[in-house]
Amino acid sequence: KNEVEQSPQNLTAQEGEFITINCSYSVGISALHWLQQHPGGGIVSLFMLSSGKKKHGRLIATINIQEKHSSLHITASHPRDSAVYICAVRGQKLVFGQGTRLTINP
Amino acid sequence: DVKVTQSSRYLVKRTGEKVFLECVQDMDHENMFWYRQDPGLGLRLIYFSYDVKMKEKGDIPEGYSVSREKKERFSLILESASTNQTSMYLCASSLGGLSLGYTFGSGTRLTVV
Repeated sequence: KNEVEQSPQNLTAQEGEFITINCSYSVGISALHWLQQHPGGGIVSLFMLSSGKKKHGRLIATINIQEKHSSLHITASHPRDSAVYICAVRGQKLVFGQGTRLTINP
Repeated sequence: DVKVTQSSRYLVKRTGEKVFLECVQDMDHENMFWYRQDPGLGLRLIYFSYDVKMKEKGDIPEGYSVSREKKERFSLILESASTNQTSMYLCASSLGGLSLGYTFGSGTRLTVV
């Protein structure tokens, strides 16, 4: 079993829909990262959080340390949000989930 | 704008060639990392370095070596490229100590034929 599990693996939605991507982990962590990877490969760090909730524009990330679970939400989704979203947890090292491929259709 | 720059976006090399992948960061970060990314496997750590001339093996170091002669530059070396090293390679850096933020490069897609 992977230490970091993301769901769903693939998600297709219509523009404007509310999107939720989930991340569960099985190891003790000091922080959790949400990353975005567009076609072409470059990775951008969206959030780093160790408790509670963070918001940046239309993106919201939450974490429940007791349940070892985090969610990334996108409100009013747009085709430019189409990307792979990766959850990574920081314990002794950074461990990555396999990513969620999000496609937003116009 | 702070950056991690990887020297090539796409590379095609022949089996048996020695391959150098270069990564440069301008943020004075102590830590630098090399990952490879493969479908279904996510990102896996090859090597990392927490200081000049220091290196540590990651999860999949076999077939690779690294060099960090200057703080800003971390090189990944494939001594004798093989087809199973065809992959996307990503470099990242972070501050040392308690800082946890990572900055990633744009990636190098290497094809070994």
